Amino acid sequence: DTGVSQDPRHKITKRGQNVTFRCDPISEHNRLYWYRQTLGQGPEFLTYFQNEAQLEKSRLLSDRFSAERPKGSFSTLEIQRTEQGDSAMYLCASSPGGVPDTQYFGPGTRLTVL
Amino acid sequence: AQKITQTQPGMFVQEKEAVTLDCTYDTSDQSYGLFWYKQPSSGEMIFLIYQGSYDEQNATEGRYSLNFQKARKSANLVISASQLGDSAMYFCAMREDLTDSWGKLQFGAGTQVVVTP
Repeated sequence: DTGVSQDPRHKITKRGQNVTFRCDPISEHNRLYWYRQTLGQGPEFLTYFQNEAQLEKSRLLSDRFSAERPKGSFSTLEIQRTEQGDSAMYLCASSPGGVPDTQYFGPGTRLTVL
Repeated sequence: AQKITQTQPGMFVQEKEAVTLDCTYDTSDQSYGLFWYKQPSSGEMIFLIYQGSYDEQNATEGRYSLNFQKARKSANLVISASQLGDSAMYFCAMREDLTDSWGKLQFGAGTQVVVTP
């Protein structure tokens, strides 16, 4: 039973470049979440998908951020024109629905913007 | 306003001892869930234990137990018989309105636990 996977695990980029991260959820989970975690803080919610529909976006998700889940399976998170403030750990989670709908997290992608 | 408060930034505990990690929360919902996650230095968030607001008994999961005091809005995690592998960051999180079809998790700032031999 494979867990949530994320790729890449680490990404170093220069300011102004575009980056894309991928998340593969647990196969039977139809719910997928993205969170961002900065140093010394807990994760903060970014966005949520139910199957392929993006149902909620946080105000943290500026217009430079876009997320997709085209076939209701894997998801991508793209950041355009990266800024130093985008440096963080980007975490993906999936959940099966029902109660308590526990979210299971992937290993994260650590982004460093130089 | 902060929904989840973890007042202990860091704790040292000796191997085989028990440790209690504090978590208080703020919600006006009647139906909510509280979760604890462990984050080792590798970065992955590992689910430990869940407590629902309507659960009458405190949750237990192996060496983890939750001291749930609803009136005080606290959900403290107790780790018994600490092991060196328990050294990690521990996060308390809440999902409000379990009656809704989905819900984001809101996390506290975490408590760093270091287990010493």
